[in-house]
Order: sequence, then C-alpha cells, then structure tokens
Amino acid sequence: EIALTQSPGTLSLSPGERATLSCRASQSVSSIYLAWYQQKPGQAPRLLIYGASTRATGIPDRFSGSGSGTDFTLTISSLEPEDFAVYFCQHYGTSPLFGLGTKLEI
Amino acid sequence: QVQLQESGPGLVKPSGTLSLTCAVSGGSITQTDWWSWVRQSPGEGLEWIGEVYHSGSTNYNPSLKSRVTISVDNSKNQFSLNLTSVTAADTAVYYCARGPGLTGFDYWGQGTLVTVSS
Repeated sequence: EIALTQSPGTLSLSPGERATLSCRASQSVSSIYLAWYQQKPGQAPRLLIYGASTRATGIPDRFSGSGSGTDFTLTISSLEPEDFAVYFCQHYGTSPLFGLGTKLEI
Repeated sequence: QVQLQESGPGLVKPSGTLSLTCAVSGGSITQTDWWSWVRQSPGEGLEWIGEVYHSGSTNYNPSLKSRVTISVDNSKNQFSLNLTSVTAADTAVYYCARGPGLTGFDYWGQGTLVTVSS
C-alpha cells in the first residue's frame, strides 16, 4: 500500500518568500495522478496542481509543481498573504490517497 | 460553473447509518466520469471514501468497503452515500467532489459535519 509523506509538517515563512513543500511516496507512482490542494480553515480543499505539474483553472502562476517517481514538490515562488494555509498532496490512481499536509504559516 | 451541495443529518447514533446526498448543479452528472465522497476528521487529514460513475459503477476505499454504499440518481442529478454501523470514529466533515478522473478533484461541496453520538 502506497503512503504519502509530506514535509515539513509546518513551514514558517513571510510574505514575499519562496515556499518549497515536499511530498514523498513510499513507492514509485505515476506523476499523471499526483495532485496538490490548498485548504483554508472552514473551507473545502481547492485543487492547485494535477498531473504533478499542471495548474488547475484559475490558479496563479506563482504556484508550480514538479517531480516524478517518489519525490514531488510544490513551489510557491513569492508568498502572498492569502497563501498561508494547509497544503495536501494526493495520488489519485486506484484508491485515491492524501498526504497528511503541510501547514504554511506566517 | 459546477456546484455541489451536501445534505443530510448532522447527528447519527452509534451503530446507525449515515446517509448523505450531494446535489450537482451547473452541469449534468452524466457529463463527467466519477463523483466521490471524501471525509476529514476533526484536526485530521483527508480520507477518500469512494466514487460512483453515472452508470452506477462504484469503487470504494478498502478500509471502508464493507460498510459503504454510493449510488447515483441521474434524473435528480445527485449522488448519495450510505455508511452503516457508524461509531465515533466516523465523526467527520463529509465532502462530495467531482473526480478524480485525470485532473484530480476539481470541484468540491462546502462540506457537512456529521457527528456520531447518542
């Protein structure tokens, strides 16, 4: 069974800084089925990236995804105040699975 | 713009059945492949429960498979979740979502909190 490990658990940064979030799979997965979501308190998750690197509709280009095999990365090039939230990676092949999340805080 | 809205009881007794419905608007449920239920326990991560195709085909999370039934009603443009023999561990915010397909879960309902308690 695949497991997704996200690191760090919490990332403390300031607006304008670059954020790098990691998602590691316990075994190689297809990048076609790797997604990233943003979740703010009291809200549903919001799709940011699918297929490891394709931005979803309406997502600003400061968000980018990369990686393959077991190691995937979400990068936010210059943090805006509204970017402080929890970020989840997901593999959505057979039996979709989420990581436990990275909290991005000011 | 596709919109999803969950509805159902917010309180279920232990050993009872949790039943939720997701109404889809802004598009036909038959025009997209899969529709899913996802839950999130308080302070915890996200757990995929299962998915249904407009034909009625389903796939379930193996950890919940014995207790879950997901069905679709194309005439009402909605799909539903039944989870039997619930315990306190099933207390969570339940979301319906479109997908996963090839592009992940791109539309989500706002979520509904279901508490299991006597």
